[in-house]
Amino acid sequence: GENVEQHPSTLSVQEGDSAVIKCTYSDSASNYFPWYKQELGKRPQLIIDIRSNVGEKKDQRIAVTLNKTAKHFSLHITETQPEDSAVYFCAADSWGKLQFGAGTQVVVTP
Amino acid sequence: NAGVTQTPKFQVLKTGQSMTLQCAQDMNHNSMYWYRQDPGMGLRLIYYSASEGTTDKGEVPNGYNVSRLNKREFSLRLESAAPSQTSVYFCASSSAMGAEAFFGQGTRLTVV
Repeated sequence: GENVEQHPSTLSVQEGDSAVIKCTYSDSASNYFPWYKQELGKRPQLIIDIRSNVGEKKDQRIAVTLNKTAKHFSLHITETQPEDSAVYFCAADSWGKLQFGAGTQVVVTP
Repeated sequence: NAGVTQTPKFQVLKTGQSMTLQCAQDMNHNSMYWYRQDPGMGLRLIYYSASEGTTDKGEVPNGYNVSRLNKREFSLRLESAAPSQTSVYFCASSSAMGAEAFFGQGTRLTVV
C-alpha cells in the first residue's frame, strides 16, 4: 500500500524567509497530491494540489513541485508571514485511497 | 451550507463500551473517509468508501467498523473501546478520487 513520508517534522523560519516541506510516496499508481493546512484546533483545509501530469503549480506565495520519477513532491512558501504558522500535511491519492504524511509544524517568528 | 457534519464533538467512553460516530455530508460527494489524528502521527486512514455501497480498509482498521448508510452518511463504530483509541477523529468527503477532500470539525474521543 501507499506510504507517505514527510520532512521535516518541525520548521522554524523568520518572517519573510522561505519554507520548504518535502514528501515522498511509495505507490507509483498515486496520481493526485494535495497539501493541507491545519491551524490549532481546526480542521485541515486544502491549500494547493497537483496532479501527476503536471510538474509544478503556483498560487501566489505557495508553490508545489512534483517529481514522479523520484516519487517526491514539495511545498514551497515564499515571504512567510505569521499567519502561515500551522501544521502542514502532504497527501497522496491512489485510486481513491487518500493517505497523509505525518505533518510539519511550521512556526514563523517575527 | 453545512458541508461535512460530525457528531458528537466530544465523547468520553469507558474501556469496553461501544459507540458510533456519525458523519453526514450535503455536497453530493461520492467518496467518504474516516481518519484518526494523534500527535506526531498525522492523519491515519481508518476506512474509506469510494461510493455508496462500498467500503475499504485503510492503514489502521483494527477495532473499527464502518457503514455507508447512503450517499450522505458514513458512520464509524467502535465495538469495544480501548484506551489506544483515544484520538481526534475526522470524517471527510470528496466528489471523486483525485478531488479535494473536505473535512468535518472532528470528534475528540477519550477512552478511560
